[in-house]
Amino acid sequence: GENVEQHPSTLSVQEGDSAVIKCTYSDSASNYFPWYKQELGKRPQLIIDIRSNVGEKKDQRIAVTLNKTAKHFSLHITETQPEDSAVYFCAASLMDSSYKLIFGSGTRLLVRP
Amino acid sequence: NAGVTQTPKFRILKIGQSMTLQCTQDMNHNYMYWYRQDPGMGLKLIYYSVGAGITDKGEVPNGYNVSRSTTEDFPLRLELAAPSQTSVYFCASAGVYEQYFGPGTRLTVT
Repeated sequence: GENVEQHPSTLSVQEGDSAVIKCTYSDSASNYFPWYKQELGKRPQLIIDIRSNVGEKKDQRIAVTLNKTAKHFSLHITETQPEDSAVYFCAASLMDSSYKLIFGSGTRLLVRP
Repeated sequence: NAGVTQTPKFRILKIGQSMTLQCTQDMNHNYMYWYRQDPGMGLKLIYYSVGAGITDKGEVPNGYNVSRSTTEDFPLRLELAAPSQTSVYFCASAGVYEQYFGPGTRLTVT
């Protein structure tokens, strides 16, 4: 089955710097890759996603890139702010009849003021 | 529109007890999922459902059961609770792509 690995497990950046989180997946048939943000004690919430027919997607300070050949995708946050501090999860899906997601293990991002 | 709701918010169980975690969504989503999240870890899929009357196992189904008699409800049953089931349980629903999560149930088994 699908396996998703996420790195790094923790990331500390200065406010205003960029942050990059990387994920690799094992099943070349996966074609949907969302990113979720989870604040302490809260539920995960979708922040951006990408499908396999595009290589990059941006939404204000957040972007996701996808390399299907290498089977990896990355989350880029620019001009980080303290409120970006949270745990970020990547996921992959075959988008078959179940639409189920396989999640990475998460990255704890700390943005230092 | 409440989205996805879960009850209870917290629960402490003794080893060997049973309980049902409730999950309800009001978005008329066909797809529903149960995950567990251990401290400092990612989300592991326990069971999922693609519609009323249809359920299937995820990555970590042992020790759990589910049912889906209506579109709105997807309860998760724990039989003979064990300390290894101490976790935060999230229910989610989806129309197609985006999964919407409930607030979670924090379960401790002692």
